[in-house]
This record gives sequence, structure tokens and C-alpha cells, in this order.
Amino acid sequence: DAGVIQSPRHEVTEMGQEVTLRCKPISGHNSLFWYRQTMMRGLELLIYFNNNVPIDDSGMPEDRFSAKMPNASFSTLKIQPSEPRDSAVYFCASSLLQRRAEAFFGQGTRLTVV
Amino acid sequence: KQEVTQIPAALSVPEGENLVLNCSFTDSAIYNLQWFRQDPGKGLTSLLLIQSSQREQTSGRLNASLDKSSGRSTLYIAASQPGDSATYLCAVRSTDKLIFGTGTRLQVFP
Repeated sequence: DAGVIQSPRHEVTEMGQEVTLRCKPISGHNSLFWYRQTMMRGLELLIYFNNNVPIDDSGMPEDRFSAKMPNASFSTLKIQPSEPRDSAVYFCASSLLQRRAEAFFGQGTRLTVV
Repeated sequence: KQEVTQIPAALSVPEGENLVLNCSFTDSAIYNLQWFRQDPGKGLTSLLLIQSSQREQTSGRLNASLDKSSGRSTLYIAASQPGDSATYLCAVRSTDKLIFGTGTRLQVFP
């Protein structure tokens, strides 16, 4: 398996634009997590899905952020409109549904909003 | 609310030294603890996974221990090498969530 695949790897956009980040989890994994990493706050959990259903989105910073998982092999994180303070590295991770399962991370998307 | 802390925040050592990185967590009701490595500008690579019922796990020069009752884990790196230079992160699985520590930035110089 190729692991968790994220795209794009880098994204530079202007303030106010819509940004869509994409994630393909490991085949067979049914839990998916979106994290944001910044120097100031480290790794923060934004939202996670079990069996394509959002379970906890309490980490989503504000209504400008939304996430979907239309099927077991694809998820998106959308920011609309984007702001400079959204600049960060966004990671997607997946695991089996069991709480004792190991989590695997993608290479991340580095987002810069200018 | 689960909080995870890592000490030290940064560490610089000469090659060959044996190292101990520390991770502590506030809520002992965890399912497992995972250690990751992150190279600059890269993703997270899973190093070791310790289930809550286990005391330690080993992989090559790495050994991780878990004392759930005291809320502590240590990552032991034997005979450190320059290639071990990276940030090391621990994460605990509480309910469905994986909660991360702040990381230890390690530099091993020749």
C-alpha cells in the first residue's frame, strides 16, 4: 500500500480564496483524522471520521473550515474564505477503527495564505 | 481533558550517546501510546506503538516503555547517530482521539 496520500503537497493562495485539501487513507482503514501543525500550537486534531461519518469536529477552528468524507477512500478539508492565520501544515491520518490500532500519517500539505 | 507533555523540548548530544526522551500524560485511561519521528518539512513516521496492557516495545536501537498508572512513557535511543536527528513526538489514544505532545527536537552531532 502506498500509505496515506495527501494532495497538494504545497499550496499558496491569496487571502479570501477557497482552499481544498485532499486525503486518500490507507485501503481498509475506516478511521480518518485531520490535524493542523503550527510552531505555536503543535499538532491539533481538527476533526475525525469513523466509517465516513464525522464523529468529533470540536477542533475545527471556525465555520470557515469544513470537512467531508464522501466515501471510504477520499476526504477533503476546505477553508473558505482563507486567511493568513490559516497558514500551517495540514496532516491527514488513518487507522483501523479499533481504538488500539496504529495510526499512519500522510506527508502533509503546507498551506501558505498571503 | 487529556494533556500530553514532552521533556526536554530540545536536546543536542554527541554521536554515540544513549538518550532518554520523556512523555507524560494527565489521564491514565488510554488505549495505547505511539511514538513518531518527524524530519524537517516531512510527515510523521510511526516508530513504536505500545498498547495500554504492555510495558515496553523494542525496535532496533529504540525501546519505549509505558507506565500507565503514573502517566509516563520514555523513548530510549541507544548509541545515537547523526541520522537520528529529528523531532520525536508521542501521542496517546484516548477514546478515538490521538492527542499529541509538544515534541522533543533532537540533534546528534558527529
